[in-house]
Amino acid sequence: AQRVTQPEKLLSVFKGAPVELKCNYSYSGSPELFWYVQYSRQRLQLLLRHISRESIKGFTADLNKGETSFHLKKPFAQEEDSAMYYCARQGSGNNRLAFGKGNQVVVIP
Amino acid sequence: GAVVSQHPSWVICKSGTSVKIECRSLDFQATTMFWYRQFPKQSLMLMATSNEGSKATYEQGVEKDKFLINHASLTLSTLTVTSAHPEDSSFYICRFQGLAGGHFGPGTRLTVT
Repeated sequence: AQRVTQPEKLLSVFKGAPVELKCNYSYSGSPELFWYVQYSRQRLQLLLRHISRESIKGFTADLNKGETSFHLKKPFAQEEDSAMYYCARQGSGNNRLAFGKGNQVVVIP
Repeated sequence: GAVVSQHPSWVICKSGTSVKIECRSLDFQATTMFWYRQFPKQSLMLMATSNEGSKATYEQGVEKDKFLINHASLTLSTLTVTSAHPEDSSFYICRFQGLAGGHFGPGTRLTVT
């Protein structure tokens, strides 16, 4: 079974402080990894995917196959980053997404 | 970007009644789509996968006779919660298959009294 683990449920950081959200996945084939964000009262939206290797809203995530991790990082948190963040993996050969339990990030002004 | 709508966005129903939730893609077509359920402060749990024109595949523990899925076209899928009970109260979210993880609907909040 595909598993995604996000250990911390709630993360509070001060504005300007670094943010790191951990994500580990179960190894199986060549999964595709994603980070989704859900702002208050809004739908889930894609933040990052490991294939694109880009930085969105200052966030980056590097796939580490050796550690089976896909941690999300941002060097300086902003108030508008307060949201729920979900790590997800998509198995090779299918489009089923397995989600982690999510991290609630609260940025304190 | 791709637009997915869900209707209704919020529904309250009495225990024992049935509720139909529509998921519609407005500007693209997809063969495969997914229904998720999200309980408060919890993650999205996949309920079923459906392909247009064929029967849905349900995840373990999800009753197919209770959660009826009709994927009649490439742009429309419906989820009917039959004989709803209070424990079915949840947030139901659809996702159309697509690039970059697909496209999510805004969700439907179901409250069963």
